[in-house]
Amino acid sequence: GNSVTQMEGPVTLSEEAFLTINCTYTATGYPSLFWYVQYPGEGLQLLLKATKADDKGSNKGFEATYRKETTSFHLEKGSVQVSDSAVYFCALRSNQAGTALIFGKGTTLSVSS
Amino acid sequence: GAVVSQHPSRVICKSGTSVKIECRSLDFQATTMFWYRQFPKQSLMLMATSNEGSKATYEQGVEKDKFLINHASLTLSTLTVTSAHPEDSSFYICSARQGAGRGGTEAFFGQGTRLTVV
Repeated sequence: GNSVTQMEGPVTLSEEAFLTINCTYTATGYPSLFWYVQYPGEGLQLLLKATKADDKGSNKGFEATYRKETTSFHLEKGSVQVSDSAVYFCALRSNQAGTALIFGKGTTLSVSS
Repeated sequence: GAVVSQHPSRVICKSGTSVKIECRSLDFQATTMFWYRQFPKQSLMLMATSNEGSKATYEQGVEKDKFLINHASLTLSTLTVTSAHPEDSSFYICSARQGAGRGGTEAFFGQGTRLTVV
């Protein structure tokens, strides 16, 4: 079945450090890939997405590229801020009608000033 | 983006009672709604998928008689935890989507409901 594996946290960084959170997936066909962010006390928000191979999703300085050859969708940011502290979830959705998102376990990011 | 409102955000109930959680799409018609359960420091686990006007499809291992899902309109879905027990204590999150497949919208999430059964 479809699944998502993302790196274990927590990730602790200093402000302005470079961030990478690894995500790999297993899926049949060509799923869409997503990164969601959950700030403390809030619901999940879509951070970025990519719907086909080699697409790059980007938002708020975060980027991720859909790599079919390595089945990966790693999240990166060049310079993190304290306000980026949150839990980040990698997710996929198959292209079958009505299917739900399948999430990774989440990675907690803590950024200190 | 579109707004999904989930209510209540927190609820504490006694063991053996039932609790209803509402999920509303405020500015779009939710063709499909999803209910997830999130355990501490773990991922969101899909419980069920519901389409407006039809019975929900439950994931393996989820008791449909315990977790009653109703999707009576295109803007409202409810999850009722019946005869709740302490092991049902968890964070429940709903998600709503309009359309299907690549042509559908992204999934929008409610704020979640923290259920504590004492």
